[in-house]
Amino acid sequence: GAGVSQSPRYKVAKRGQDVALRCDPISGHVSLFWYQQALGQGPEFLTYFQNEAQLDKSGLPSDRFFAERPEGSVSTLKIQRTQQEDSAVYLCASSFSTGANYGYTFGSGTRLTVV
Amino acid sequence: KNEVEQSPQNLTAQEGEFITINCSYSVGISALHWLQQHPGGGIVSLFMLSSGKKKHGRLIATINIQEKHSSLHITASHPRDSAVYICAVDGPETSGSRLTFGEGTQLTVNP
Repeated sequence: GAGVSQSPRYKVAKRGQDVALRCDPISGHVSLFWYQQALGQGPEFLTYFQNEAQLDKSGLPSDRFFAERPEGSVSTLKIQRTQQEDSAVYLCASSFSTGANYGYTFGSGTRLTVV
Repeated sequence: KNEVEQSPQNLTAQEGEFITINCSYSVGISALHWLQQHPGGGIVSLFMLSSGKKKHGRLIATINIQEKHSSLHITASHPRDSAVYICAVDGPETSGSRLTFGEGTQLTVNP
C-alpha cells in the first residue's frame, strides 16, 4: 500500500487479556519502529527492526511486551496480561533505510484502552 | 531534563496570525523532524531538516545547528492548522537508531 497501515485502529481490552497489534509498513522499507504514546505526551520508543532482526528492544517496558517481524515486512506487537497503564496509542513507523536521511512514515496508530 | 524541549506547550491564536513553535535539543543530531498529529492519532511528517531553512506552503522550518534550536512558523494561520506539532530528533547521539520526541505543542486556531 501507499502508507503504513496499522490495525486495529481501536482496541478495548479487559485487564489481563492478551492483545496483538499489527503494522504493515511501506513495501521495501527496511526499518520499522514501534512507539508508545500516552495521553498528552510525546511518543516514546519501544523497539526497532532492521528487516527481520530486532536490533533494539530497550524501550519495551516489561517482559509482557513482545514484538516480531518474522519475514521482514509485517510486524506484530503483542502485549500479554494487559494492565491499565498499557492504555496508550501505539504508533508504528517505517523508513527506507537505516540512516536518518530518508525520513519516516507513520501509521495512524492503534488506540488501546485497558478497562 | 528531556533531550528535546518544545515551547509553548499550548498555543491559541486567531485566524490569520503568524505562529512560531520552538524546539531545543541537547544532543548531537543528524536530522530534526517537525511532525503534525491530528486528534485521530496519525502523525504526518512536515519537515526533515539538517541545516538552514525549508518552506512548504504556509509552513516554514528553520534550524540553527550551533545553537541546537529549531523553529516552526505558520503564516496566515487557519483553523484547519489546529493540531499537535511535535519536534523529534534523530542520530548520531540520540539513544540508538530511533527518533527522540518532544512532548508536542497543542495549537488551536480560532476563526
